[in-house]
Amino acid sequence: DGGITQSPKYLFRKEGQNVTLSCEQNLNHDAMYWYRQDPGQGLRLIYYSQIVNDFQKGDIAEGYSVSREKKESFPLTVTSAQKNPTAFYLCASRGGTSTYEQYFGPGTRLTVT
Amino acid sequence: AQSVAQPEDQVNVAEGNPLTVKCTYSVSGNPYLFWYVQYPNRGLQFLLKYITGDNLVKGSYGFEAEFNKSQTSFHLKKPSALVSDSALYFCAVRDPMYTGTASKLTFGTGTRLQVTL
Repeated sequence: DGGITQSPKYLFRKEGQNVTLSCEQNLNHDAMYWYRQDPGQGLRLIYYSQIVNDFQKGDIAEGYSVSREKKESFPLTVTSAQKNPTAFYLCASRGGTSTYEQYFGPGTRLTVT
Repeated sequence: AQSVAQPEDQVNVAEGNPLTVKCTYSVSGNPYLFWYVQYPNRGLQFLLKYITGDNLVKGSYGFEAEFNKSQTSFHLKKPSALVSDSALYFCAVRDPMYTGTASKLTFGTGTRLQVTL
């Protein structure tokens, strides 16, 4: 997990509240990604960003928002519009254009009740 | 659209025996393929990748994977399993036809490997 930090590790929120998950990397990577992991469903892409001040929706962006104001940071906000927000959230980053693998942070487990 | 299938939800193997975790893919053209491992409540760790070249790829922790184009498979293998290999394993594919720079990966649903004494 080295080089990518996510905080907090566990997060609890009441239904109807927005919550922001932190992702920071010190790998000098341009691209960053947010995934959601649910049991038996693998990883699903929420948002990704190739460079600062640019980001695109992934496969399940509804109810989520992101920003990319700094190269090192890619926070994810889970809004009250997300119908089923309880999940394990993973942030990842990727190096140069010739490097295809992504490197992951330790994850944040969000529980909404 | 690209896709990855991991046909086994769980694989059980005794320590010291060889292990295989299966992965098949569907993409147009030659794929870029990856294996990751996830320990409980942790992020994914990169194990190995196939981009081009030798069909047998060696990776971290003694794992290797064999790319088979005719069978569209990329099975993960290890000659001698350890109890500490018990974890969740994910196969992933990047569509080589994708022209963007974001390197989007499509992940399988994961296979839980259980190694027992």
